[in-house]
Amino acid sequence: DAGITQSPRHKVTETGTPVTLRCHQTENHRYMYWYRQDPGHGLRLIHYSYGVKDTDKGEVSDGYSVSRSKTEDFLLTLESATSSQTSVYFCAISEGYRVGYTFGSGTRLTVV
Amino acid sequence: DAKTTQPPSMDCAEGRAANLPCNHSTISGNEYVYWYRQIHSQGPQYIIHGLKNNETNEMASLIITEDRKSSTLILPHATLRDTAVYYCIVISNFGNEKLTFGTGTRLTIIP
Repeated sequence: DAGITQSPRHKVTETGTPVTLRCHQTENHRYMYWYRQDPGHGLRLIHYSYGVKDTDKGEVSDGYSVSRSKTEDFLLTLESATSSQTSVYFCAISEGYRVGYTFGSGTRLTVV
Repeated sequence: DAKTTQPPSMDCAEGRAANLPCNHSTISGNEYVYWYRQIHSQGPQYIIHGLKNNETNEMASLIITEDRKSSTLILPHATLRDTAVYYCIVISNFGNEKLTFGTGTRLTIIP
């Protein structure tokens, strides 16, 4: 979607290695979110940010950390990837918690 | 506990109106109804939202019952590109509640 990009789009990594996914926005929105999507579970919130250096956990945050050092970038890190973290990861941005979210195109991560 | 209930799947003929129901019988006065859709492998897309009045935009119409316990998303002239999973989400307009997605309704438009 215009204004939000995720990188990489696809990644295969080995168990135990660190992985960082990047979400970049050009909309200057305050709020950014990381979701994961797995068959049978729908989208689940991992972490979110409500401003630079302000982040908080979502419902499935174990094994993930995030950082937001500037408004436009929100990084999701898997410190030591596991096979259970194989998933499609979506980033989203919004101007407020209840304003329509704009989602990125997703990153398909495979941990082997 | 899920705040909304949607049928798992629906079919609709191309060119006809697609009416997607959602039950939210425990909705409270400060909660909005949001609709998103997800076309195969893409990120979810915001469609529309409302509090108690019916709403319309270029994509769809949202009809909320007077008691607010259910709503219907209407795609007036469905096309094949409307084939997607549609999510009905109830969210408060106070505090820091985030969007929580259920399993939605898989809408298939039939040529």
